[in-house]
Amino acid sequence: EPEVTQTPSHQVTQMGQEVILRCVPISNHLYFYWYRQILGQKVEFLVSFYNNEISEKSEIFDDQFSVERPDGSNFTLKIRSTKLEDSAMYFCASRQRDRAEKLFFGSGTQLSVL
Amino acid sequence: DAKTTQPPSMDCAEGRAANLPCNHSTISGNEYVYWYRQIHSQGPQYIIHGLKNNETNEMASLIITEDRKSSTLILPHATLRDTAVYYCIVRVEGPTGGGNKLTFGTGTQLKVEL
Repeated sequence: EPEVTQTPSHQVTQMGQEVILRCVPISNHLYFYWYRQILGQKVEFLVSFYNNEISEKSEIFDDQFSVERPDGSNFTLKIRSTKLEDSAMYFCASRQRDRAEKLFFGSGTQLSVL
Repeated sequence: DAKTTQPPSMDCAEGRAANLPCNHSTISGNEYVYWYRQIHSQGPQYIIHGLKNNETNEMASLIITEDRKSSTLILPHATLRDTAVYYCIVRVEGPTGGGNKLTFGTGTQLKVEL
């Protein structure tokens, strides 16, 4: 089965630094998502992206966060100035246009902010 | 989206059927029931979905009660690799809709043992 690929698998950064988390969605998918999971807590929706624009975002996704699809294959999440509370596992997901029920998730990037 | 209630944990012997219940008593007529699972620290994985009819695929069966207020996910022959957190999610958008976020609860931790 095709996979969503996320890099890096682990990222350690200092508080206040910018980080970019990278994702390669499945090639024929058109909808893209970022979710995050703080250790021991629920999986939380951050943002959805379609047709080169954000279609929905949560309260977590404030001005420090941005997403981009810089080319035909990559989908990135940027955190401009990281905080300690941004430490979490970040999951990218994608889906086909006509399969709204089936999101394919990547294996995640564990972000640690020190 | 309607709220769901699941038991926090369940055990199952390997080779036996695992029956995971979900209560969604406030579900409305246009809301679908989705099941995802999350194997330790990995991204969530789609299992199955349904509206009102029972559904079966290669992974599981979904039984929805006639009043749609509850459902049961059945893994017919559980293996050790089925140990995971199972999430029951109720959402308005159907499979072909433009629906976006999935709202994950705390799910049921299923432990499959020898």
